[in-house]
Amino acid sequence: GEDVEQSLFLSVREGDSSVINCTYTDSSSTYLYWYKQEPGAGLQLLTYIFSNMDMKQDQRLTVLLNKKDKHLSLRIADTQTGDSAIYFCAESMASSASKIIFGSGTRLSIRP
Amino acid sequence: DADVTQTPRNRITKTGKRIMLECSQTKGHDRMYWYRQDPGLGLRLIYYSFDVKDINKGEISDGYSVSRQAQAKFSLSLESAIPNQTALYFCATSDYDRNEQFFGPGTRLTVL
Repeated sequence: GEDVEQSLFLSVREGDSSVINCTYTDSSSTYLYWYKQEPGAGLQLLTYIFSNMDMKQDQRLTVLLNKKDKHLSLRIADTQTGDSAIYFCAESMASSASKIIFGSGTRLSIRP
Repeated sequence: DADVTQTPRNRITKTGKRIMLECSQTKGHDRMYWYRQDPGLGLRLIYYSFDVKDINKGEISDGYSVSRQAQAKFSLSLESAIPNQTALYFCATSDYDRNEQFFGPGTRLTVL
């Protein structure tokens, strides 16, 4: 069935890199996304990658996609306190263009 | 002004009451969605709509109904609220291109 899995928590020291991992099941996904949710707010798109790409870099963010293993990762370089949030991995289903499957979210906490 | 607004932002109600959550958007998108968020479970899709005449059930539609009054308005109703419907509810819209979801700020609903 359709499923997106992430670990629930990640703690990183300020200034280090954060790597948030995600696995998904639908090999025909068209887009894969990373959303960020700050306390008391809705989700906002952080970045996305089209399924025919292996990597996408945007300033401090690097997205890696391994289609063979159905693994997606988000690397945040030089993690800052403002990066504290819940990060959701999501996939767009090829079988239903409107349907997005979200993971359970990874809560990133930053320690000094 | 926010592109996707939700009212109310917080609501406490009693078991058996009928509740309506409202969503309005100024994005001009045809696609609108209702999700619920529970800790550790991510976002789960309740209903979605492609246009005013199109309503589709999501994965957890039991106990909920929706109405798409106009392109810009999509409301969610709980006909007879029960405690396990206590959750954070999000409305979202999306474009046709990347299917990027634009979320409202959420409604925190507590059913006693």
